[in-house]
Amino acid sequence: GQQVMQIPQYQHVQEGEDFTTYCNSSTTLSNIQWYKQRPGGHPVFLIQLVKSGEVKKQKRLTFQFGEAKKNSSLHITATQTTDVGTYFCAGRGTTDSWGKLQFGAGTQVVVTP
Amino acid sequence: NAGVTQTPKFRVLKTGQSMTLLCAQDMNHEYMYWYRQDPGMGLRLIHYSVGEGTTAKGEVPDGYNVSRLKKQNFLLGLESAAPSQTSVYFCASSKTLAGGPWAYNEQFFGPGTRLTVL
Repeated sequence: GQQVMQIPQYQHVQEGEDFTTYCNSSTTLSNIQWYKQRPGGHPVFLIQLVKSGEVKKQKRLTFQFGEAKKNSSLHITATQTTDVGTYFCAGRGTTDSWGKLQFGAGTQVVVTP
Repeated sequence: NAGVTQTPKFRVLKTGQSMTLLCAQDMNHEYMYWYRQDPGMGLRLIHYSVGEGTTAKGEVPDGYNVSRLKKQNFLLGLESAAPSQTSVYFCASSKTLAGGPWAYNEQFFGPGTRLTVL
């Protein structure tokens, strides 16, 4: 079955630095979503990517969908303490029910001032 | 709007006991989902529903049952709890939209239920 893997599992970042988290699927995806979960909270939707090679930006966050639609990345520039949390990617396989997502294990981000 | 609500927030069970987790949404969403979250494993889909009266198995359905008698509610039942079911359970909902993969079907999550089975 489809598997979605995220690396790294854990990211320790100094405030002001940039970092990237990666998401890889074993199969081609129809679309991919990213969610953020603050410590003790619930996942909150950030963005959805659909097109091959698509790039979307939200302020300091840049999301990219690979050309083969099997991988994605989230790049955060000038990390702030408000970026603390776990970032999940979630992909829908081309044969899956449109509402069904496969979540990666997440990248836990810790920011030190 | 309250969005997605879950009851209870916390629960401790003994092995073999049963319980029902309730999820309610007031956004008129067609799709609803139950996930469990365990350290290092992300969110795993237990069961989901594409509409009132219909349910389907997800990735880890064993030991759980669900019902969707009303559109706004999705219940998750544990008939005989086991320590392996200790987890945080999240309910989520999303709209139905035409358009295939282009459909904007973000999932809205509830606050979660922290369940411990002793």
